[in-house]
Amino acid sequence: GQQLNQSPQSMFIQEGEDVSMNCTSSSIFNTWLWYKQDPGEGPVLLIALYKAGELTSNGRLTAQFGITRKDSFLNISASIPSDVGIYFCAGRHGSSNTGKLIFGQGTTLQV
Amino acid sequence: GAVVSQHPSRVICKSGTSVKIECRSLDFQATTMFWYRQFPKKSLMLMATSNEGSKATYEQGVEKDKFLINHASLTLSTLTVTSAHPEDSSFYICSALDTWNTEAFFGQGTRLTVV
Repeated sequence: GQQLNQSPQSMFIQEGEDVSMNCTSSSIFNTWLWYKQDPGEGPVLLIALYKAGELTSNGRLTAQFGITRKDSFLNISASIPSDVGIYFCAGRHGSSNTGKLIFGQGTTLQV
Repeated sequence: GAVVSQHPSRVICKSGTSVKIECRSLDFQATTMFWYRQFPKKSLMLMATSNEGSKATYEQGVEKDKFLINHASLTLSTLTVTSAHPEDSSFYICSALDTWNTEAFFGQGTRLTVV
């Protein structure tokens, strides 16, 4: 099935560093979501974006919905050990939140 | 956020047997639930969309007779892997859309191992 292009695939960083990851698509999305998944667990929603250009923060996390509606990025500031995990972006084409999500390949973060 | 509970969290079964996985929304009603499959170090692949009181909608390439989905109530959807084979071993995750129209919440996942 269709997937979003998420990069980087993995990253090793020092505690305290800032982290940035992004997702791109060849098609337009109406919603961008960012999730974190810990090993053996289901994904947990971090940030939801619904408007092009929207910039939203959740603690040390900041995400933006690209103006073209074909991309989004997630920044984590001052990383800490508990930030370790896999981060997924997800996009939805439809305007209703009942539509299905398309996931990126994930970014594995190790601190 | 709303709570979605999946059971069992881990299951080992013999080839040829069937396994049922339950997905429950604990504190909200969910007319729509989604079932995903995830291979190690890979992303989530949508298998099917489960709608309460109607037939599930399967994604292309997913065998509906192999992966039976039942959404008989507003708080429970089940996925039954029939005649399981080792290649069915995977991490299965459900998500449920709450009735307040916020985003879908994920269950903890079920690790299925077929031996």
